[in-house]
Amino acid sequence: QKEVEQNSGPLSVPEGAIASLNCTYSDRGSQSFFWYRQYSGKSPELIMFIYSNGDKEDGRFTAQLNKASQYVSLLIRDSQPSDSATYLCAVRRGSTLGRLYFGRGTQLTVWP
Amino acid sequence: DAGVIQSPRHEVTEMGQEVTLRCKPISGHDYLFWYRQTMMRGLELLIYFNNNVPIDDSGMPEDRFSAKMPNASFSTLKIQPSEPRDSAVYFCASSSLGWGEDTQYFGPGTRLTVL
Repeated sequence: QKEVEQNSGPLSVPEGAIASLNCTYSDRGSQSFFWYRQYSGKSPELIMFIYSNGDKEDGRFTAQLNKASQYVSLLIRDSQPSDSATYLCAVRRGSTLGRLYFGRGTQLTVWP
Repeated sequence: DAGVIQSPRHEVTEMGQEVTLRCKPISGHDYLFWYRQTMMRGLELLIYFNNNVPIDDSGMPEDRFSAKMPNASFSTLKIQPSEPRDSAVYFCASSSLGWGEDTQYFGPGTRLTVL
């Protein structure tokens, strides 16, 4: 079982729709959860992090964490073509300080 | 802060040549990570350091790869000899462990092509 698994995608949504990206992780002791966005040819950049169960909102982005289900998601409201990118989920395990475990990423396309 | 700095940004070399990639982490960060990204394998952790000491190098593909961190502001990843299958984008990232501060920040990457 992989440490972090994401929808393989690609995910395609129309402009203005809600894009939902999902991620599951295997280590129940995981403590920190991150969503990175990576544009083609660029490096990953942090969108959001979440540590506690529940929702965390930042503008059009909402991260949702459910530790009991070992599930974290990212919702993008009012999707824009500029949101088209690959989204990487990353998890920090409680037993491994510093290191993040990354999923393979989900490619999102927002069409006008 | 200038962020994580990597050089060179692009490297084209011939099989068998030595390649050295360089990284300057964000000042004050005590963790440094080297990743490799390909379409086939995604983002792979090669090695990471804490306070200049290698913590986990299990991701280094083989003995042709080596990494050093002689001080807190500089690290190198060396491939000797290089092979075409080493072609990838190599990212360096740094972070500082602490509650709310363990975000990894990535450099722009080095795109390596081995002919």
